[in-house]
Amino acid sequence: DAKTTQPPSMDCAEGRAANLPCNHSTISGNEYVYWYRQIHSQGPQYIIHGLKNNETNEMASLIITEDRKSSTLILPHATLRDTAVYYCIVRAPGRGSTLGRLYFGRGTQLTVWP
Amino acid sequence: DTAVSQTPKYLVTQMGNDKSIKCEQNLGHDTMYWYKQDSKKFLKIMFSYNNKELIINETVPNRFSPKSPDKAHLNLHINSLELGDSAVYFCASSGDSLSYEQYFGPGTRLTVT
Repeated sequence: DAKTTQPPSMDCAEGRAANLPCNHSTISGNEYVYWYRQIHSQGPQYIIHGLKNNETNEMASLIITEDRKSSTLILPHATLRDTAVYYCIVRAPGRGSTLGRLYFGRGTQLTVWP
Repeated sequence: DTAVSQTPKYLVTQMGNDKSIKCEQNLGHDTMYWYKQDSKKFLKIMFSYNNKELIINETVPNRFSPKSPDKAHLNLHINSLELGDSAVYFCASSGDSLSYEQYFGPGTRLTVT
């Protein structure tokens, strides 16, 4: 599975858009990009995922570059409650030994300030 | 309604004891997981069950034994607790075993003294 690289920390002003980058230069054609976040002392929360097209849901937007080597998670209007560690994970659908395994790295600590 | 619930939320116990953590999901999912988050905040998968059948066992000591009485429950039993078992344990579920869209419980903080 492709490895991901994220900045260890970012800041964002409340009400502004938070743009969280992720590099996955070794991504292969069948691998999806998943984003999770973990608010302090809570369980991880699924945010969004995509393959090649940009995706949007009620929580965020996911922009994947045309070459798929990087992506950006966008929180359009960040609030204080969005302060969390954000994880970018690349996974391919599979069976057998790789099935269901999510590998969480260090992620990006996003701090939203008032 | 809570989608994935765990009990207890906190568990403090002494070395050598045996303890269990319970997990229940009301999402109708077929697959459930146990993850461990250590003091350095690394989150690692331990086990996965699909329709009560073990499909992932990620190099976890034999002292850890998951039990799935039905597909809505996945309990974690730990024998002979050691100091290094202190961590936060998260239960999760997904619609099927191919899905990486997983829903996590609130976690159980286990402290072994």
